[in-house]
Amino acid sequence: GIQVEQSPPDLILQEGANSTLRCNFSDSVNNLQWFHQNPWGQLINLFYIPSGTKQNGRLSATTVATERYSLLYISSSQTTDSGVYFCAGPLEDTDKLIFGTGTRLQVFP
Amino acid sequence: NAGVTQTPKFQVLKTGQSMTLQCAQDMNHEYMSWYRQDPGMGLRLIHYSVGAGITDQGEVPNGYNVSRSTTEDFPLRLLSAAPSQTSVYFCASSPTGRNYGYTFGSGTRLTVV
Repeated sequence: GIQVEQSPPDLILQEGANSTLRCNFSDSVNNLQWFHQNPWGQLINLFYIPSGTKQNGRLSATTVATERYSLLYISSSQTTDSGVYFCAGPLEDTDKLIFGTGTRLQVFP
Repeated sequence: NAGVTQTPKFQVLKTGQSMTLQCAQDMNHEYMSWYRQDPGMGLRLIHYSVGAGITDQGEVPNGYNVSRSTTEDFPLRLLSAAPSQTSVYFCASSPTGRNYGYTFGSGTRLTVV
């Protein structure tokens, strides 16, 4: 079955809006991470969030490991937030980091 | 501190040709990995390495070989290129494979005609 699933696949926002991206992951995936791929293709590690909540500026992430999901919140979105957001986690007892298919975010001024 | 360096940035191959994608990191990371990214499919793991001399297969290893003779370098070899290998390839490194600290290279866009 699908090990890491993201929703929605696409999201279009106007600058200043808030958004929530969701990641569901199977029992065999742990140590969730969130990445951002900018429109030029560069991938940046945003959060390592195996459980609990973390915040970094306008972005925050929450993982509820017992219910196998993680949420990425973007507040007061800016055009520079555009790109694709991926969640990923290693398969249990391995070093294989498996990615979801991503949420493509477009923020318009 | 250059991070993860991938070369070349762009490459066009003819079907059946071979080539090596280079990846080097200067952060003394033990873990290195190769991904391919195709439209609508996210990143899929090709091969990975947890240290010099140790490599293992990922989700889509067929048609690719790797070796890890030093901590710094992790080249990816295409033995006989096929159009299905047209993709963007990313190399990544981290202190370990299971936790925080991933750094990605800027990618190699490969087209096989």
